[in-house]
Amino acid sequence: QVQLQESGPGLVKPSQTLSLTCTVSGGSISSNDYYWGWIRLHPGKGLEWIGNIYYSGSTYYNPSLKSRTTISVDTSKNQFSLRLNSVTAADTAVYYCARGPGWNFDLWGRGPLVTVSS
Amino acid sequence: EIVLTQSPGTLSLSPGERATLSCRASQSVDITYLAWYQQKPGQAPRLLIYGASRRATGIPDRFSGSGSGTDFTLTISRLEPEDFAVYYCQQYGRSPLISFGQGTRLEIK
Repeated sequence: QVQLQESGPGLVKPSQTLSLTCTVSGGSISSNDYYWGWIRLHPGKGLEWIGNIYYSGSTYYNPSLKSRTTISVDTSKNQFSLRLNSVTAADTAVYYCARGPGWNFDLWGRGPLVTVSS
Repeated sequence: EIVLTQSPGTLSLSPGERATLSCRASQSVDITYLAWYQQKPGQAPRLLIYGASRRATGIPDRFSGSGSGTDFTLTISRLEPEDFAVYYCQQYGRSPLISFGQGTRLEIK
């Protein structure tokens, strides 16, 4: 079955760039049926949507993060990626990649904790 | 910007009881774009309900969703031990395009 797996550093220094990649296995990222998204969970708080991408490269971002966020897709590797610039301690969170049939999310990765600290 | 407010913040019930969770939006939400998720500690969220009332694949029928406009409800008819978790509602369409409520923690009484 289709699975999503995030990869990337678990520790990022303040002011640097957080980079994560989501690998899709068991299915094609180049499907007309799905969007691919990033969502984060702040410790002790709720879920925050970061952005979505379609396999064609069309992107949609949370306005509160848009100026610092880039989401890209590599269909040859069946992956999509997140880059979040100029991070601060407020960006410490569990980062999930997810699949969206429509505008909800029916399949999620396990979600690594990314800590921003010097 | 739309705000989803979930209530109560924490709900304490016993197995076998009925749970009613509320999600109130600051602006009207198209029912097509209202979803509910369950999240347990250390796990990713799981989609329970989409389109306000449609159960996702594999979700037991004790879970049901209802509502329209600005008021939506998730009901668990008879709580099982595995249902104690945090529940989030989510909307699409209003800025910031996709947003979640702050969550309701369902705990064992």
